Amino acid sequence: ETGVTQTPRHLVMGMTNKKSLKCEQHLGHNAMYWYKQSAKKPLELMFVYSLEERVENNSVPSRFSPECPNSSHLFLHLHTLQPEDSALYLCASSQNADRLHEAFFGQGTRLTVV
Amino acid sequence: AQSVAQPEDQVNVAEGNPLTVKCTYSVSGNPYLFWYVQYPNRGLQFLLKYITGDNLVKGSYGFEAEFNKSQTSFHLKKPSALVSDSALYFCAVRGADGLTFGKGTHLIIQP
Repeated sequence: ETGVTQTPRHLVMGMTNKKSLKCEQHLGHNAMYWYKQSAKKPLELMFVYSLEERVENNSVPSRFSPECPNSSHLFLHLHTLQPEDSALYLCASSQNADRLHEAFFGQGTRLTVV
Repeated sequence: AQSVAQPEDQVNVAEGNPLTVKCTYSVSGNPYLFWYVQYPNRGLQFLLKYITGDNLVKGSYGFEAEFNKSQTSFHLKKPSALVSDSALYFCAVRGADGLTFGKGTHLIIQP
């Protein structure tokens, strides 16, 4: 266990559904991240939160909406997704945003959009 | 723009043999280089990093990587492979554009 917990582990949703992914860490880290992992493609950094403020948004469509209510929790709200959004979504945390490369990763949520 | 190339989708190695997983990079300035491993149904785990100093970097689980500036490479190596090393390996570079990952290489160790 890395100390980063993601729920649910698997999610199947229709294109008109609204769902949320949850990430939790109790490592005392100040930075949290969402990544998208698609088959045979590089990991894509989606969002970076530092001290509960979004500091990076890498051209992610608005149908993905992150929320960081406190330093231990990070959500990814999903709305009207497309089949190409099916992927493994990984949450990670690090001591601070400068130590991104030493982030601890969760096990991911396998999302399938039908 | 910075980039990372992992030219092999899959590497097959017999148990006990040495293994190499290739990585080349492109980045402005001094590179910060990293390797991560992802076991089935698990998140990424940090393996090792090169920031400065010796070109040969040692990491977790007996892995090491060699930084070669002239060839802009950072290949991952292990002298003797174990079946339990079978996993997906990612190379990454940190530069002005943040952390950029390669596509990943599946390492399969055959008994």
